[in-house]
Amino acid sequence: DAGVIQSPRHEVTEMGQEVTLRCKPISGHNSLFWYRQTMMRGLELLIYFNNNVPIDDSGMPEDRFSAKMPNASFSTLKIQPSEPRDSAVYFCASYVGTVNTEAFFGQGTRLTVV
Amino acid sequence: RKEVEQDPGPFNVPEGATVAFNCTYSNSASQSFFWYRQDCRKEPKLLMSVYSSGNEDGRFTAQLNRASQYISLLIRDSKLSDSATYLCVVNPMDSSYKLIFGSGTRLLVRP
Repeated sequence: DAGVIQSPRHEVTEMGQEVTLRCKPISGHNSLFWYRQTMMRGLELLIYFNNNVPIDDSGMPEDRFSAKMPNASFSTLKIQPSEPRDSAVYFCASYVGTVNTEAFFGQGTRLTVV
Repeated sequence: RKEVEQDPGPFNVPEGATVAFNCTYSNSASQSFFWYRQDCRKEPKLLMSVYSSGNEDGRFTAQLNRASQYISLLIRDSKLSDSATYLCVVNPMDSSYKLIFGSGTRLLVRP
């Protein structure tokens, strides 16, 4: 398996533009997370899906952020409109949702909003 | 209070040293605990799970103290390649399987 695949790897956009980040989880994994990492705040859980259903989105910063998982092999995180404070590395991770299990991360999308 | 707290470091140690990190968690119902490692500009990867009885994997030993709600990671005979950020991870067991990460402890091993 190729692992968790995220695209794009890098994104530079202007403030106010819409940004869409994409994630393909590992086949067979039924749980998917989106995390955001910054130097100041570390790794923050944004949203968690189980069997394509959003279970916990309490970490989504505000209405500008939305996430979807239309099927088991694809998820998106959208920011509209983007702001400079959204600049961060966004990670997607997947695992088989049992108690003691390893979460596999994608390589991340480095987002810069100017 | 953060759900998972770690000393950010950095811990700067010579090769061959023994170093230990602690991590505290706030939810006493938490059942699953892990240590992940993150290299600079890379994604986090599982280092080891932490079991109630404590567990060892080569030079690495993880322990859990439920009474005080902390987990620890001990690294013996440090190598240059151990330089990384070590992330404490907790599953709060609040009817979901989400994973909460600490901010990480940075380790620098010098020659």
